[in-house]
Amino acid sequence: EAGVAQSPRYKIIEKRQSVAFWCNPISGHATLYWYQQILGQGPKLLIQFQNNGVVDDSQLPKDRFSAERLKGVDSTLKIQPAKLEDSAVYLCASSFNGMDNQPQHFGDGTRLSIL
Amino acid sequence: RKEVEQDPGPFNVPEGATVAFNCTYSNSASQSFFWYRQDCRKEPKLLMSVYSSGNEDGRFTAQLNRASQYISLLIRDSKLSDSATYLCVVNLKDSNYQLIWGAGTKLIIKP
Repeated sequence: EAGVAQSPRYKIIEKRQSVAFWCNPISGHATLYWYQQILGQGPKLLIQFQNNGVVDDSQLPKDRFSAERLKGVDSTLKIQPAKLEDSAVYLCASSFNGMDNQPQHFGDGTRLSIL
Repeated sequence: RKEVEQDPGPFNVPEGATVAFNCTYSNSASQSFFWYRQDCRKEPKLLMSVYSSGNEDGRFTAQLNRASQYISLLIRDSKLSDSATYLCVVNLKDSNYQLIWGAGTKLIIKP
């Protein structure tokens, strides 16, 4: 079974620039998550999709972050404009249906550095 | 109070020893629980789910104490390869099945 695919693995940009990340979940997984993980902290949920609908985006800084999952499969996360504090690893995860006792499977993440 | 709390460590443990750490959660409505392992600069990977009756997988044992609202992870006969950060995850059974992550406990196994 192919895992969660993310790209790029690394990205370095200057503050105020824009950046986009891509995620392809495990085939058949209805639920997709984007997390931000700052060094030394646990993952922080940014947004959760169930198919192509948003389930939870309460912690997404909507003035600069956006995400979409138009066809209910792959997803993109965008930051525009980036700030220094956005330096982090951005993890994408998927689960079968997001229900009780469904574990999440993570991609390798995108390590973002803002200069 | 944080929704999910873990001792950040690090726990420095000699190889072969037994080590245990806890994770406390604040929401009594929490329904399912997981331990994830995260190696340095890697993504989290599921270690084990935590069932009400407790569960064991080789050298790893997970327990749930609903009355005191914590879960525990016990590692017996620790190996150098067990060095990692162990993340506790709690699933709230509300309409969104929101997952709350702890900040993790860092474990270092020394030869």
